Amino acid sequence: SQQGEEDPQALSIQEGENATMNCSYKTSINNLQWYRQNSGRGLVHLILIRSNEREKHSGRLRVTLDTSKKSSSLLITASRAADTASYFCATADSYNTDKLIFGTGTRLQVFP
Amino acid sequence: DTAVSQTPKYLVTQMGNDKSIKCEQNLGHDTMYWYKQDSKKFLKIMFSYNNKELIINETVPNRFSPKSPDKAHLNLHINSLELGDSAVYFCASSQFGTGGDEQYFGPGTRLTVT
Repeated sequence: SQQGEEDPQALSIQEGENATMNCSYKTSINNLQWYRQNSGRGLVHLILIRSNEREKHSGRLRVTLDTSKKSSSLLITASRAADTASYFCATADSYNTDKLIFGTGTRLQVFP
Repeated sequence: DTAVSQTPKYLVTQMGNDKSIKCEQNLGHDTMYWYKQDSKKFLKIMFSYNNKELIINETVPNRFSPKSPDKAHLNLHINSLELGDSAVYFCASSQFGTGGDEQYFGPGTRLTVT
């Protein structure tokens, strides 16, 4: 399967703590994206990092990319209860950029 | 102003029936997609259309037929529904569709086949 793997599958933390999610993928990529999915809702794009970038920030989000290890991490700092959601990474393959391959997702629960 | 909308939100039907899900985007995007999300939350692409032309057609039973009357609409028709078709179906759109640009998702249609 082309599907990426995310780790951990589930994560529970207290408000104010940081949350780190990891994503591993299998192919050479053009870019990697992170999406959030609240329960019963559609996915929302969070951040895109290109294959020639190593780190990117957006508000409380920090994404790193290591193409040599075919892995990425998403760090959410100072988490809030509203951050409770599933988080997915998605990769755009270098050779077939027409589609995104989504990872298996990390379910994040932030307790107030 | 909903960017990507889908109807219906819920669809409960019996095996063997034929049903359609409609999707519309008002973002002016060129590319639209259908995804299937199963009970384990795995999200898999089914089809994509770029300006009414079929671009991606993954290994999907031919009971599923997409139709794009114009670049703002992409509908999904499913014939002879089976229990295994139960899932949440998401429509999405992106500006170009190549290079892996960011996608905007609809709210999903939860299909339950009994």
